Amino acid sequence: QVQLQESGPGLVKPSETLSLTCTVSGGSMSNYFWTWIRQPPGKGLEWIGYIYYSGSTSYNPSLKSRVTISVDTSKSEFSLKLSSVTAADTAVYYCARRYCISGSCYDAFDIWGQGTRVTVSS
Amino acid sequence: QSALTQPASVSGSPGQSITISCTGSNSDVGGYNYVSWYQQLPGKAPKLMIYDVTKRPSGVSSRFSGSKSGYTASLTISGLQAEDEADYHCSSYTSSSTMVFGGGTKLTVL
Repeated sequence: QVQLQESGPGLVKPSETLSLTCTVSGGSMSNYFWTWIRQPPGKGLEWIGYIYYSGSTSYNPSLKSRVTISVDTSKSEFSLKLSSVTAADTAVYYCARRYCISGSCYDAFDIWGQGTRVTVSS
Repeated sequence: QSALTQPASVSGSPGQSITISCTGSNSDVGGYNYVSWYQQLPGKAPKLMIYDVTKRPSGVSSRFSGSKSGYTASLTISGLQAEDEADYHCSSYTSSSTMVFGGGTKLTVL
């Protein structure tokens, strides 16, 4: 059974770069889209972007200038970098996998990590 | 891209049915049958409940159903149970080949 686990610093200073990694266990990264989603305190979910196992990406237009998502299938992990952070980037960050079944993939996310809380503060 | 619009809260008594709406535009909800719904229990990661507007992943109770009319998608929970109390989030594919979520709805079981 595939499991995802986020890791990275829980505290980042304003103007610095937030870096998180999602480790995939229990299955292959091949043929899947891998996604980052965040949730500010007390608010709804926000889609950050995704990366296909081969490396192609798509980002939220509102974050695109600051976001980089990369993948390392040899390590079974993918990563998020968000530059020039401010307090508005304080959130729980989730990694997730696009839902695929019986050879078809859908615009939904069925496997999620437990989430990691990141606070932006000096 | 603008977030989809959901009511902040809904409530219902055990055994009743409730519906949560999710309103977008022609660029997302209205343009594609790619709406999904997630249940989020306190302190937990979201769980996929509905995809492609009406489809349920294996293991999701048939008490949960989805529909869409125009720019508004809806999640209906029938036979409301205490364990259904949670936050519910909708999501849609967009014309920019991205995804957008709603603001989330808190369901209270009275």
